[in-house]
Amino acid sequence: SAVISQKPSRDICQRGTSLTIQCQVDSQVTMMFWYRQQPGQSLTLIATANQGSEATYESGFVIDKFPISRPNLTFSTLTVSNMSPEDSSIYLCSVGSTGKNEQYFGPGTRLTVT
Amino acid sequence: AQSVTQLGSHVSVSEGALVLLRCNYSSSVPPYLFWYVQYPNQGLQLLLKYTSAATLVKGINGFEAEFKKSETSFHLTKPSAHMSDAAEYFCAVSAEGAQKLVFGQGTRLTINP
Repeated sequence: SAVISQKPSRDICQRGTSLTIQCQVDSQVTMMFWYRQQPGQSLTLIATANQGSEATYESGFVIDKFPISRPNLTFSTLTVSNMSPEDSSIYLCSVGSTGKNEQYFGPGTRLTVT
Repeated sequence: AQSVTQLGSHVSVSEGALVLLRCNYSSSVPPYLFWYVQYPNQGLQLLLKYTSAATLVKGINGFEAEFKKSETSFHLTKPSAHMSDAAEYFCAVSAEGAQKLVFGQGTRLTINP
């Protein structure tokens, strides 16, 4: 399985500011995903990060709020823009292995907005 | 469209007892099904997966799940609970194994000594 790291692991931010979360994988992967896990809730897919093209966003998520970069096959960033307390969540990146038909998750970034 | 329903947001069992966590799915295509476990303050770890091969799937830590198409179910079981099994468990479905996942609401498993 892939080894995935995320930075930062946690942060406390002021409302109105932005935070960029980094996701690094130890091998080249085609598919990377960003999920949100609100307090006490399940995971919801924000977007699929495609290398060399625009990210594909799920219903309810927009690029202006959650811009994503995917500059190469081992790295992606998710920015949470103009934050409000409602953005307080755990943000997780994952990668898909087409060979094994499964996804692996990073440890998550715990964001608190005050 | 795909969806997952986990029956019971909280399940409590005694140490050594059977663990049964329920998952029902809805999918317009043959599904890929997964169980993940999340320990406190950690990411998700894959327990097991169903990818249209054997209907009884064995995973890590003694867990297994059975795919029942007629019941659209993929329940997770473990014969004997251990204290270390206390965690949040998520059932998920995708149209293809490595594609985007749709998660159930999660079930918090508590183990009583």
